[in-house]
Amino acid sequence: GESVGLHLPTLSVQEGDNSIINCAYSNSASDYFIWYKQESGKGPQFIIDIRSNMDKRQGQRVTVLLNKTVKHLSLQIAATQPGDSAVYFCAEIKNFGNEKLTFGTGTRLTIIP
Amino acid sequence: DAGVIQSPRHEVTEMGQEVTLRCKPISGHNSLFWYRQTMMRGLELLIYFNNNVPIDDSGMPEDRFSAKMPNASFSTLKIQPSEPRDSAVYFCASRGPINEQFFGPGTRLTVL
Repeated sequence: GESVGLHLPTLSVQEGDNSIINCAYSNSASDYFIWYKQESGKGPQFIIDIRSNMDKRQGQRVTVLLNKTVKHLSLQIAATQPGDSAVYFCAEIKNFGNEKLTFGTGTRLTIIP
Repeated sequence: DAGVIQSPRHEVTEMGQEVTLRCKPISGHNSLFWYRQTMMRGLELLIYFNNNVPIDDSGMPEDRFSAKMPNASFSTLKIQPSEPRDSAVYFCASRGPINEQFFGPGTRLTVL
């Protein structure tokens, strides 16, 4: 069936290093992708999004890459800080304007001081 | 703005009891979403409203679950009767004119 999934459930990175979190999706018709960050005891927080007609988008210390050929999405966090420790989810919307988000299972990122 | 407000933050109840979760979306947001998060199933969309009208309730597990949005500033998710497998964190989110959903802090429900 169609799904949004993650390659790795956990990732540990030394503070100051860059991190890459990966996400695979199976619905080639998905139109829009979002990365969320969830800290312990809190709700998910929007980080960055990308539409399917783009292959890269940059924010502050974060970059999202979209490879539609292999249906792969990644989130790069530069110069990681302790506050980056959280669970990161990718989510997809099948049609831009349709509001229904499908979330992946999440990757727990731990920044090692 | 205070963001999305949910109450209660924690709820412990016994099997068979009715549970009502409440949500106040961000003022001016037209869409409201109810999610459930568990370790086993992750984040699942239960139902969402647009302009107070339920649009997609295909994620609602069964008839024990119901949701209402009587006005633009309030929504409830009710479970009656509750069961231990309903234990989860329930999130409410709202969305405004841009395609970003803002999540509340969640309600942690424990059904004994």
